[in-house]
Amino acid sequence: ILNVEQSPQSLHVQEGDSTNFTCSFPSSNFYALHWYRWETAKSPEALFVMTLNGDEKKKGRISATLNTKEGYSYLYIKGSQPEDSATYLCAFVPGAGSYQLTFGKGTKLSVIP
Amino acid sequence: EAGVVQSPRYKIIEKKQPVAFWCNPISGHNTLYWYRQNLGQGPELLIRYENEEAVDDSQLPKDRFSAERLKGVDSTLKIQPAELGDSAVYLCASSPGRAGSSTGELFFGEGSRLTVL
Repeated sequence: ILNVEQSPQSLHVQEGDSTNFTCSFPSSNFYALHWYRWETAKSPEALFVMTLNGDEKKKGRISATLNTKEGYSYLYIKGSQPEDSATYLCAFVPGAGSYQLTFGKGTKLSVIP
Repeated sequence: EAGVVQSPRYKIIEKKQPVAFWCNPISGHNTLYWYRQNLGQGPELLIRYENEEAVDDSQLPKDRFSAERLKGVDSTLKIQPAELGDSAVYLCASSPGRAGSSTGELFFGEGSRLTVL
């Protein structure tokens, strides 16, 4: 069983604050890491698919970094807005050509206006 | 382009009753996944299809769960009989490519929330 850990489990931030959270995964046999955002009553939505050590990706105010050698990825949100309130899930993909994703439990973010 | 469509959104049943969930993936996506998310947990894979073939069903509880994907498009997931522990959100997702590729992101439906009383 692959161990994918996300921290913190939940957090509350004030509107305008920047925040970040962590996804930890096995550093061996890495192939890819996915980040998804899941707003209440909506579908989980892909944010990033990351495959290279040192990769940095950005979408608007959200960015992510990847360290495959030590087995972690950070997700950053700059200037949090209420619409950023959601659960953020990461998913680890082992092995070349794999279709298998193992999800973490998610970080639930609440942005207080 | 239409997204992944799931139905029903909500279902409440008594234990020992059957239940079925339906999924229509994005057109052209050959890979279809069924996940189950229990409260406080991440989504867990139940079954993955490549076209109409179930290529990974190792975590599907086969004594009570069954799934099919006719003609490699729509899919149904059935539970018979349902147990209290089956209460969860059942997510369907489709993908145009392998999970590790740049085209491997999953496109999810809104999920079917099952409550078993």
